[in-house]
This record gives sequence, C-alpha cells and structure tokens, in this order.
Amino acid sequence: ILNVEQSPQSLHVQEGDSTNFTCSFPSSNFYALHWYRWETAKSPEALFVMTLNGDEKKKGRISATLNTKEGYSYLYIKGSQPEDSATYLCAPRLRDYQKVTFGTGTKLQVIP
Amino acid sequence: GAVVSQHPSWVICKSGTSVKIECRSLDFQATTMFWYRQFPKQSLMLMATSNEGSKATYEQGVEKDKFLINHASLTLSTLTVTSAHPEDSSFYICSAVGGSSGANVLTFGAGSRLTVL
Repeated sequence: ILNVEQSPQSLHVQEGDSTNFTCSFPSSNFYALHWYRWETAKSPEALFVMTLNGDEKKKGRISATLNTKEGYSYLYIKGSQPEDSATYLCAPRLRDYQKVTFGTGTKLQVIP
Repeated sequence: GAVVSQHPSWVICKSGTSVKIECRSLDFQATTMFWYRQFPKQSLMLMATSNEGSKATYEQGVEKDKFLINHASLTLSTLTVTSAHPEDSSFYICSAVGGSSGANVLTFGAGSRLTVL
C-alpha cells in the first residue's frame, strides 16, 4: 500500500489570501503525480500531471511544484476565491503500475 | 473534453438485494477503468482495475464475489454489489484512463451513493 499524506486536512482562508498545501509520497519507483480538484456534488477534475523532478506547473492562480527525490509536492493558490473551495487530492503513480493511489485530500474553504 | 457518466447517483436498496452501478465513457474509448470506494472522512480507496475484455484485478481485501465488475465494451464498465448489506453503504466512484485529457489523466464519474437498509 502506498502511503500518501496530505496536509493540512482542512483549512479556511479569507477571500484574497494565498494558501498552499502539501502532498508527501514515497520517492522510490516514482512515475507521476496527479493533482485533482473535487468540488462538492461534482466529479474530481484533473489539475496537473507532473513527472519530472523540479517540475512547476501553473493553471491560472493555481500552481504546483514537484520534488521527486524527497517525495513531496506543493500546491499553491494565489488570491483565493470562493470558487476555489473544494477538496484537493494528490495521487502519485508508481512505475509499472496502472493504478493511482489517492491521498486523503485537503479540504479548502474560502470565506467571502 | 472527456466525459464519464456514472449512474445512478443515489440508490437505496434493501439488505440482500443486488445493485448495479454503470460507468460510461461518452466521447472516448476507455480500455481501463478504476472503481473506488470512499468511506466517511477517508480517501478514495481503489477497489479494482477493470480492463475491457478481461477479468478485473481486485485490490487486496476486496471480495470479488461481492463486488462484480464487468467491462464488456470500450465504453462501459459496471459494478454490481451482490447481496448488499448495510456495511456496503458507501460512496462508489469510477474513473477512466484516456480521452482528450491525456493518456495519464483520470476522468471521473460523479459517483454513486449507496444506502443499504
């Protein structure tokens, strides 16, 4: 079983604040890391797929970095908006395995 | 973009009955689909990997006779919870690999909430 940890489990931020959270995963046999956003009553939606150490990806106000040697990824949200409220899931994928293992997620609530 | 349709969204059944949940890829062919279960306040737990035309691969601890998975076509996978009991009440969600989002990205259905009375 792959041990994937996300922290914090939940957080509340004021609209306009920037925030970040962490995903930790085993660094051996690393293949890729996925980030998903899961809004209430909707399907999880892919944000990023990252594969290379030092990767940095950006989508609007959301960005992510990856450190495969130490086994962590950060997700940043700049100037949080209420529509950013969701659970953010990270999911590493190991080499030679089809399956993707999910962390418990970080539940973000942006307060207007 | 890639879309996966999952239904029913909600289902309530009596103990001892069987319930089928369908997962369809609407605009792409999904050779591989995954079925997850989510317990309250926990992560998505992978139950099984479903490959078109072959038997599903179940994760350790998942009863294959209880959770029957069929992937008879490139666009449809089904999960049947047989002889359901209250402890099977949970949130079940499928995902498919592929589509316009890319070969490595999972496209999810909206999930199915099962309540067994």
